[in-house]
Amino acid sequence: ETGVTQTPRHLVMGMTNKKSLKCEQHLGHNAMYWYKQSAKKPLELMFVYNFKEQTENNSVPSRFSPECPNSSHLFLHLHTLQPEDSALYLCASSQDSTYGYTFGSGTRLTVV
Amino acid sequence: GESVGLHLPTLSVQEGDNSIINCAYSNSASDYFIWYKQESGKGPQFIIDIRSNMDKRQGQRVTVLLNKTVKHLSLQIAATQPGDSAVYFCAETTGNAGNMLTFGGGTRLMVKP
Repeated sequence: ETGVTQTPRHLVMGMTNKKSLKCEQHLGHNAMYWYKQSAKKPLELMFVYNFKEQTENNSVPSRFSPECPNSSHLFLHLHTLQPEDSALYLCASSQDSTYGYTFGSGTRLTVV
Repeated sequence: GESVGLHLPTLSVQEGDNSIINCAYSNSASDYFIWYKQESGKGPQFIIDIRSNMDKRQGQRVTVLLNKTVKHLSLQIAATQPGDSAVYFCAETTGNAGNMLTFGGGTRLMVKP
């Protein structure tokens, strides 16, 4: 365990479903991130939260909706996704740029 | 735009040999660099980092070299083991970017027994 826990580990959903991904960090960090990892592509930053405030939305479609109720929890709400949204979704946290990010194990999402 | 990239997508080495994974970056203002290892089914895991005021840093079996002149970063793994098989990412950031890391495309290291 890295201190960043993601659930569920695997998720299969239909294009009309609504689901949520959860991330929890036990490291006392003040920043949390959502990344998308597709095959043969670099990690794509989706959202950044600093002290619970969203500071970055990297041109992500509105069918992805983040929520950060406190500095330890981060959600990614999903609705009406497309098959091309199938990917590994990674959550990360950091205190500042001095130490880099700690990643969770990811949620493997398949949209059918 | 600024980018971080890797020279080789796949590297195959014999167990016991040394491995060298390379990374080029384009932002001359980058001052902090990290190598991550991602095993199958897991998230990226921190291996080693280096700041721009250094050109070499050593860990356990790993060494990171930074050449700021040519904007090149490398990860050396000594006596490569089967457990080293993974995808390796470099990442960089600048002080001005705050916490934002830019990741390279990744290199897959395959260790042959």
